[in-house]
Amino acid sequence: QVTLKESGPVLVKPTETLTLTCTVSGFSLTNARMGVSWIRQPPGKPLEWLAHIFSGDEKSYSPSLRSSLTISKDTSKSQVVLTMTNMDPVDTATYYCARITAGITIFSVVTYFFDSWGQGALVTVSS
Amino acid sequence: EIVLTQSPATLSVSPGERATLSCRASQSISSNLAWYQQKPGQAPRLLIYGASTRATGIPARFSGSGSGTEFTLTISSLQSEDFAVYYCQQHNNWPPVLTFGGGTKVEIK
Repeated sequence: QVTLKESGPVLVKPTETLTLTCTVSGFSLTNARMGVSWIRQPPGKPLEWLAHIFSGDEKSYSPSLRSSLTISKDTSKSQVVLTMTNMDPVDTATYYCARITAGITIFSVVTYFFDSWGQGALVTVSS
Repeated sequence: EIVLTQSPATLSVSPGERATLSCRASQSISSNLAWYQQKPGQAPRLLIYGASTRATGIPARFSGSGSGTEFTLTISSLQSEDFAVYYCQQHNNWPPVLTFGGGTKVEIK
């Protein structure tokens, strides 16, 4: 059974750095064509993809947040860590980690999607 | 950056009726589109990937279609558990850069 669980602070102050950890089980962070992503959702708003890291250590970041994000993984601990610098109240959101995996479309093209999600962790930014 | 526009923002449907949700991409994304369902207080759940392939365990009343820039999620006969918010998601390049649409809320009429 695949599970992902987010952990980190519930409350951070403006300008501080947020560090979130995603601990996974039921799959390995070395599995080919798999990775772990971070996605956030401000209260009452849509989902926003932040970053992901794949088994070969390939990384991608949201263009709008690239300068403030860093993603890394510790394969031995089955953990993926996201840091976000210079937090602001607008960054208040539920932060999800999700497994990103590859499938094949009917046109025989590789496509990527999130097939398992953590329960989410609400992070509030306030002084 | 590719933008996904979902319409309508809210869809009012009676149980048993058909629901049709739209997702439009600002440029062609081939069939690199997925659909998710999210209920209040829950994480999203994968419904469809590759524009038209149902994920494991998803009922046959959910179907996806489209390619290029125009995509549709159809729920053939709405059940009470289907009232939720639905998001589309696309990716491009490698490593993939992803975006989500703004969501469509399906509510009881």
